[in-house]
Amino acid sequence: GAVVSQHPSRVICKSGTSVKIECRSLDFQATTMFWYRQFPKKSLMLMATSNEGSKATYEQGVEKDKFLINHASLTLSTLTVTSAHPEDSSFYICSAIDRGYAYEQYFGPGTRLTVT
Amino acid sequence: AQKITQTQPGMFVQEKEAVTLDCTYDTSDQSYGLFWYKQPSSGEMIFLIYQGSYDEQNATEGRYSLNFQKARKSANLVISASQLGDSAMYFCAMRGPYTGGFKTIFGAGTRLFVKA
Repeated sequence: GAVVSQHPSRVICKSGTSVKIECRSLDFQATTMFWYRQFPKKSLMLMATSNEGSKATYEQGVEKDKFLINHASLTLSTLTVTSAHPEDSSFYICSAIDRGYAYEQYFGPGTRLTVT
Repeated sequence: AQKITQTQPGMFVQEKEAVTLDCTYDTSDQSYGLFWYKQPSSGEMIFLIYQGSYDEQNATEGRYSLNFQKARKSANLVISASQLGDSAMYFCAMRGPYTGGFKTIFGAGTRLFVKA
């Protein structure tokens, strides 16, 4: 089956620094990628939808300037958490839709971000 | 607006018995997809089963079946012959092709505990 990878799987950064998370579709072209945030024991909250070559569409309440999303190619999307603060600590999950299969959605393994 | 409701925060089941996890949804779309995902403690989202809104038969995948009642807008997951490895968080999700542009929204989740 299709595989989506995320890197890094875990990251610890200091408050005020920025951290970049990569999401790659390994064996398919992803026209659309999604970024989710999940707090402990909570559901996945959609942060933004990223289409290749265009600006990401952010969900209401998500700060565009804090969570920068770039979808430069059909296999790579990045989420950059800028000027991170402890409250940004969370589990971030990306997912991708395989071109031509609108209902197939593949999830990455997630990235656990801890801001100290 | 689309909404997914899972009213069971936690469920217990005896090993080898069947269990039903409830899910109701709300949407104005005529065409949509319903999904169930399993999330073990590792955090990875594992796709279990899919039901299209126009599918007349209930979806089945091995020990998983989806009890789809369109008029009641419910999409309950039935796990037969529970195994200890089924202990995890389970999320019901929905995606429509028109409203929200292929966004997938998730319910709050149900944590399943399988007892030996």
